[in-house]
Amino acid sequence: GNSVTQMEGPVTLSEEAFLTINCTYTATGYPSLFWYVQYPGEGLQLLLKATKADDKGSNKGFEATYRKETTSFHLEKGSVQVSDSAVYFCALGGSARQLTFGSGTQLTVLP
Amino acid sequence: NAGVTQTPKFQVLKTGQSMTLQCAQDMNHEYMSWYRQDPGMGLRLIHYSVGAGITDQGEVPNGYNVSRSTTEDFPLRLLSAAPSQTSVYFCASSYAQGWDTQYFGPGTRLTVL
Repeated sequence: GNSVTQMEGPVTLSEEAFLTINCTYTATGYPSLFWYVQYPGEGLQLLLKATKADDKGSNKGFEATYRKETTSFHLEKGSVQVSDSAVYFCALGGSARQLTFGSGTQLTVLP
Repeated sequence: NAGVTQTPKFQVLKTGQSMTLQCAQDMNHEYMSWYRQDPGMGLRLIHYSVGAGITDQGEVPNGYNVSRSTTEDFPLRLLSAAPSQTSVYFCASSYAQGWDTQYFGPGTRLTVL
């Protein structure tokens, strides 16, 4: 079945540091890939998505590229801010109308 | 436009009690779903619906019932609560064509003693 493996946290960075959160997946067919973000006390929000190989999703300075050859969708940001502190979830959307989520990575950015 | 709303925000139950978690959306989305979020496990799909009158099971459906009588509402019922159902529950909705881009509610934190 489908599965998503995410880099374990928590991750603590200083403001303006470079961020990478690793995500790899196992799936049949050609799933869509997503990053969702959950700010404290809130529900999940879609951060970015990519629907086919080599697509790059981007939003709010975050980027991720759909790499079919390495089955990866790593999240990156060049300069994080305190306001980026949140939990980040990698997910894939398969053909059975189900989203499969990774376990989440807690990011804390210190001023 | 309120988006996806959930009530209550917090609930404490005793083992064996029943309750209904409410979810409503005002975006005319056909697709609605329920997830539970447990530490270290991400979100797991409980039940989902692709339209009024149509529901289906997700990854962890046991102990939960759903129905979808209107487009707007998708309640989740716990008939006999168990401590293993202590979790944070999220409702989500989307258009059927773009079902994989989902809009989430703020969640209900449920504790079963």
